[in-house]
Amino acid sequence: SQQGEEDPQALSIQEGENATMNCSYKTSINNLQWYRQNSGRGLVHLILIRSNEREKHSGRLRVTLDTSKKSSSLLITASRAADTASYFCATVRNTGNQFYFGTGTSLTVIP
Amino acid sequence: NAGVTQTPKFRVLKTGQSMTLLCAQDMNHEYMYWYRQDPGMGLRLIHYSVGEGTTAKGEVPDGYNVSRLKKQNFLLGLESAAPSQTSVYFCASSYGRLFGEQFFGPGTRLTVL
Repeated sequence: SQQGEEDPQALSIQEGENATMNCSYKTSINNLQWYRQNSGRGLVHLILIRSNEREKHSGRLRVTLDTSKKSSSLLITASRAADTASYFCATVRNTGNQFYFGTGTSLTVIP
Repeated sequence: NAGVTQTPKFRVLKTGQSMTLLCAQDMNHEYMYWYRQDPGMGLRLIHYSVGEGTTAKGEVPDGYNVSRLKKQNFLLGLESAAPSQTSVYFCASSYGRLFGEQFFGPGTRLTVL
């Protein structure tokens, strides 16, 4: 499986702090996406970054992609209690039609 | 718009029984997907469809069949359920391109005894 790996598996921070989570993958990709999942709910798409992009912003989210290291990071600035959720990266391979999710980072923001 | 809906929300089956999970979307999306989510493993793609009348295998297709007879519906069938199929099943849809930004349903929690 080309499933990605997120690091750390769990992260606990105080409200207002920044949260950074990392994703590593194994083979060359077309794009990488980040999703959020609140407990017991379906996933919500956050951001997509293409293989030829290095950084992308959306509101309080900043995503970086380093294809030479096969890794990506998601930064959430000025975190809020409502950001408490699991965050997953997902990759689209360059060859073949497959889509792989990582194992996720569980983020807890303490009010 | 309801977005992506899944039926049922919960189901308990005995080993060997069959069932069908229904996914419906009202966004006129071309692409639809079925995933399963197990603890500690993230989501894994079971099958997907690039349009009405088409289906394709994902990462873990064994033991499942799918059909896309109408553009708005994507059915996932278990012909002979096994305990290993106990999981939470998510349906998703996307537009524009395969594996683009996906919109997810709320999930179906299936237990096979």
